[in-house]
Amino acid sequence: DADVTQTPRNRITKTGKRIMLECSQTKGHDRMYWYRQDPGLGLRLIYYSFDVKDINKGEISDGYSVSRQAQAKFSLSLESAIPNQTALYFCATSDLPGPRGETQYFGPGTRLLVL
Amino acid sequence: QQQVKQSPQSLIVQKGGISIINCAYENTAFDYFPWYQQFPGKGPALLIAIRPDVSEKKEGRFTISFNKSAKQFSLHIMDSQPGDSATYFCAASRRNTDKLIFGTGTRLQVFP
Repeated sequence: DADVTQTPRNRITKTGKRIMLECSQTKGHDRMYWYRQDPGLGLRLIYYSFDVKDINKGEISDGYSVSRQAQAKFSLSLESAIPNQTALYFCATSDLPGPRGETQYFGPGTRLLVL
Repeated sequence: QQQVKQSPQSLIVQKGGISIINCAYENTAFDYFPWYQQFPGKGPALLIAIRPDVSEKKEGRFTISFNKSAKQFSLHIMDSQPGDSATYFCAASRRNTDKLIFGTGTRLQVFP
């Protein structure tokens, strides 16, 4: 987990506020991802980036935006937070997939509560 | 749409027993099937993975069984230990392409 760090680890905010979750990695990977985890729904992909100039929507991108400031940094923003965005958010990184497939390395997560 | 279906949602096993978690997929183009393990307060971490050219892969007490014709794969934990208590996610992807598709997760509790 130390190779992928997330800040803050916990956050409480109010409906309508804009907030940013930050992710940094020291693994030197080009690929970075943002997921949210909800009980019974597993890990759902919000956005992903394969390099600094590449940003792609995942399956649940509405209400979120991202910024890839550098190879090592990938931020997730909630434009106007709403209660159903209360969840556990994970950042992950991966190297180019090889013959054995792709391994993703996850950060420790950010627990977000929107009141 | 859910491309990887995982069951059960939760599982309680006695120490020393066998834990079995099942996954089914729809996309026949998938050719990489990893399992991730997540302890409370931590991010998921790769546990074991299999490619469809083999029907089984074993690493210690953990075994993946793969049935290509049925489009199913499962994780077996032999001699389950309390330290195995965690949430397990199956996933699938296509070789040399983009992203993993995760199942919904199984919370495993192993009691002494």
